[in-house]
Amino acid sequence: GAGVSQSPSNKVTEKGKDVELRCDPISGHTALYWYRQSLGQGLEFLIYFQGNSAPDKSGLPSDRFSAERTGGSVSTLTIQRTQQEDSAVYLCASSLVTGGEQYFGPGTRLTVT
Amino acid sequence: KNEVEQSPQNLTAQEGEFITINCSYSVGISALHWLQQHPGGGIVSLFMLSSGKKKHGRLIATINIQEKHSSLHITASHPRDSAVYICAALNAGKSTFGDGTTLTVKP
Repeated sequence: GAGVSQSPSNKVTEKGKDVELRCDPISGHTALYWYRQSLGQGLEFLIYFQGNSAPDKSGLPSDRFSAERTGGSVSTLTIQRTQQEDSAVYLCASSLVTGGEQYFGPGTRLTVT
Repeated sequence: KNEVEQSPQNLTAQEGEFITINCSYSVGISALHWLQQHPGGGIVSLFMLSSGKKKHGRLIATINIQEKHSSLHITASHPRDSAVYICAALNAGKSTFGDGTTLTVKP
């Protein structure tokens, strides 16, 4: 595709439910990143994938958060038992190689009620 | 103290003015990333640099590795430059972000 795409663009869920957020990176990009931007807050690193290497999960805020990347392409960020503090915009980015220029998707706005 | 500090937090300028946004970091980096985020809009990468200086149009980014400091300059600022500018210290694939500088350029 022309750019990084994310779905859904908006998600409203009830507290305690599980949600899955999807990211389609730019074709051929080996590195994929997930970030979170809470309302009025700065960007926060969550996790990144590089090729077939083990992901760097050091930014995940709790064990309710997990992510996978299948076939080195599409990635899914899963939040289990959502809490109100999980409400934020979740952004995905990809780069040709780790440390290269990152291209950001439009984000998924998650609202937990 | 944040690992990545930006200044100023807010900046208002008149069209045509020269703008400087500063970023200081205390972590080890492989590169320094400057990003732009328009209100309600997505995030765009402006520069990624590990040494020296880069220029793109009216935007210039510099970095001093010894002093752990980077600056973003905008020459001949325009109202369309109004946005939040964010610097990020990149270490391999992990980014540590500054809180952003909100720039408003008035016509």
